[in-house]
Amino acid sequence: KAGVTQTPRYLIKTRGQQVTLSCSPISGHRSVSWYQQTPGQGLQFLFEYFSETQRNKGNFPGRFSGRQFSNSRSEMNVSTLELGDSALYLCASRSSSYEQYFGPGTRLTVT
Amino acid sequence: AQSVTQLDSQVPVFEEAPVELRCNYSSSVSVYLFWYVQYPNQGLQLLLKYLSGSTLVESINGFEAEFNKSQTSFHLRKPSVHISDTAEYFCAVSDIYGNKLVFGAGTILRVKS
Repeated sequence: KAGVTQTPRYLIKTRGQQVTLSCSPISGHRSVSWYQQTPGQGLQFLFEYFSETQRNKGNFPGRFSGRQFSNSRSEMNVSTLELGDSALYLCASRSSSYEQYFGPGTRLTVT
Repeated sequence: AQSVTQLDSQVPVFEEAPVELRCNYSSSVSVYLFWYVQYPNQGLQLLLKYLSGSTLVESINGFEAEFNKSQTSFHLRKPSVHISDTAEYFCAVSDIYGNKLVFGAGTILRVKS
């Protein structure tokens, strides 16, 4: 099976702009989670989607949002970008045996 | 809520020496435990997991971890490390419904020749 894919791999945006990141899970996996990784805060959970519904949400402001499509692909959106949003954004798809498999990430740089 | 503490931020070790990366967790409910490895500029790779059953779990590349409920620990060990094991290792916990992963701060393993 193909692994989790994320696009784009790298992004450079300016403060105030918005960005959309995409994630395609492993075929058959219906749960997709998003995590933010920064040197200062480490790995933090953003949200999880299952069957197009947000099932869990982390402690992030409303500027961070996401959605899931009927084919389980997911997107996350960050509006009004701030310098502190610079991070590696990781998507993970979860198997029926509770293992989460991560994609390579999208490196977002906000200038 | 769960939390994870990785007691060492960096562990330097010589090639072919044994290594232990320590992980302690805190939770008011039953948990699943995981170790992930991250190589530079890559995502996280699942190394091994504990869901239930035998408290000693092994990976295909020689790592093992032991779940100790009384000490709330899930330390990662390898009897003989290779240069290629140089990476950052993350311990993570989730509730038994497999919801969000809570990660430790990570331990950088540096294997020296």
